[in-house]
Amino acid sequence: DVKVTQSSRYLVKRTGEKVFLECVQDMDHENMFWYRQDPGLGLRLIYFSYDVKMKEKGDIPEGYSVSREKKERFSLILESASTNQTSMYLCASSLRGPSFNEQFFGPGTRLTVL
Amino acid sequence: TQLLEQSPQFLSIQEGENLTVYCNSSSVFSSLQWYRQEPGEGPVLLVTVVTGGEVKKLKRLTFQFGDARKDSSLHITAAQPGDTGLYLCAGAASSASKIIFGSGTRLSIRP
Repeated sequence: DVKVTQSSRYLVKRTGEKVFLECVQDMDHENMFWYRQDPGLGLRLIYFSYDVKMKEKGDIPEGYSVSREKKERFSLILESASTNQTSMYLCASSLRGPSFNEQFFGPGTRLTVL
Repeated sequence: TQLLEQSPQFLSIQEGENLTVYCNSSSVFSSLQWYRQEPGEGPVLLVTVVTGGEVKKLKRLTFQFGDARKDSSLHITAAQPGDTGLYLCAGAASSASKIIFGSGTRLSIRP
């Protein structure tokens, strides 16, 4: 059974804290993605990665950074959390190839920044 | 900037009724996907359509890609409570390396 796991389902942090969200996939996928999901806005792409140590900015990268040191792991970092980063964060992975290759999603991390 | 607009945003209907959800854009997409997301879970792919005018059926769900590849629809026949969830369309432009998601339609089926 293929799987994308995320380190936490719920997280509460304070403004200014550094936050790490971890994502691990066991499907040997080349591509990995970080999205945030807000009501009425759908999923918005923050960053994605085609390969180890590779990263590309998505549509809303400001305030975030990422790290991909191993193929199976993709981390999202909030250097200094702010209240407007309160959201649901979803990680996904897919095989290398056309952009419409199926993306497999993790269950999400609901982050609240106080 | 490419945008995908979904309508309606919310839909609550009685079990057994039929419904259609729409996904529209002013841009052309090389392919379009529909995902369903249940509470507490990530989205799961239902279908990918790649040819203008293409129709795909998945049991009681019928997906259509517009002739001009700018829009898509999802029709559910005889809706059941298990169809409840957030339905997301996602489009891929031929030149892009990523897909764009619509804002979603939250569907609730009352027993």
